[in-house]
Amino acid sequence: AAGVIQSPRHLIKEKRETATLKCYPIPRHDTVYWYQQGPGQDPQFLISFYEKMQSDKGSIPDRFSAQQFSDYHSELNMSSLELGDSALYFCASSLPFHEQFFGPGTRLTVL
Amino acid sequence: AQTVTQSQPEMSVQEAETVTLSCTYDTSESNYYLFWYKQPPSRQMILVIRQEAYKQQNATENRFSVNFQKAAKSFSLKISDSQLGDTAMYFCAFMKKSNTDKLIFGTGTRLQVFP
Repeated sequence: AAGVIQSPRHLIKEKRETATLKCYPIPRHDTVYWYQQGPGQDPQFLISFYEKMQSDKGSIPDRFSAQQFSDYHSELNMSSLELGDSALYFCASSLPFHEQFFGPGTRLTVL
Repeated sequence: AQTVTQSQPEMSVQEAETVTLSCTYDTSESNYYLFWYKQPPSRQMILVIRQEAYKQQNATENRFSVNFQKAAKSFSLKISDSQLGDTAMYFCAFMKKSNTDKLIFGTGTRLQVFP
């Protein structure tokens, strides 16, 4: 069965640079979620989209933005990167009222 | 606001034995879902089991079962016949019953299965 696809899987950036993370949901899933998991922590919700509209927003810095496109894929844009942004970034997708399925994550390292 | 608490940072169990991971939560919602996710060393988040709050029957998936006590707001995971591949971090998670709601995770329990 098709799963959530995230790219890139690993990303290394310098401080103050920008990064773009991409997420391709499971076919027919219309809701996408982004989570950030710091070292030794549980995943924290950042933002979600339903039918290409933002549906909820969590603890996402103003330096980050995201959108969902007409083909339902989503991109998380991160600017002015800081050392503290180093984390594993998960995308998850779901059908309405159903469980979320996670992608493999993008490991971002900011040097 | 909803909270999820996992009071066992680490657990260990011998292969083929049974282990129970605890989770409590707090919410004023009446309709919600509870989940257990597994995160092995690969860091992939894998759904283990799901429980709908309105269902009294405890969910079961092969060797994994839950004890859902709605009044006590408790949602424990029992792993029977533990296998080496069960070694992972286990997260309990809460989600309001809506078409787009987020997951709220506990802090996780690291489970080590010994041969």
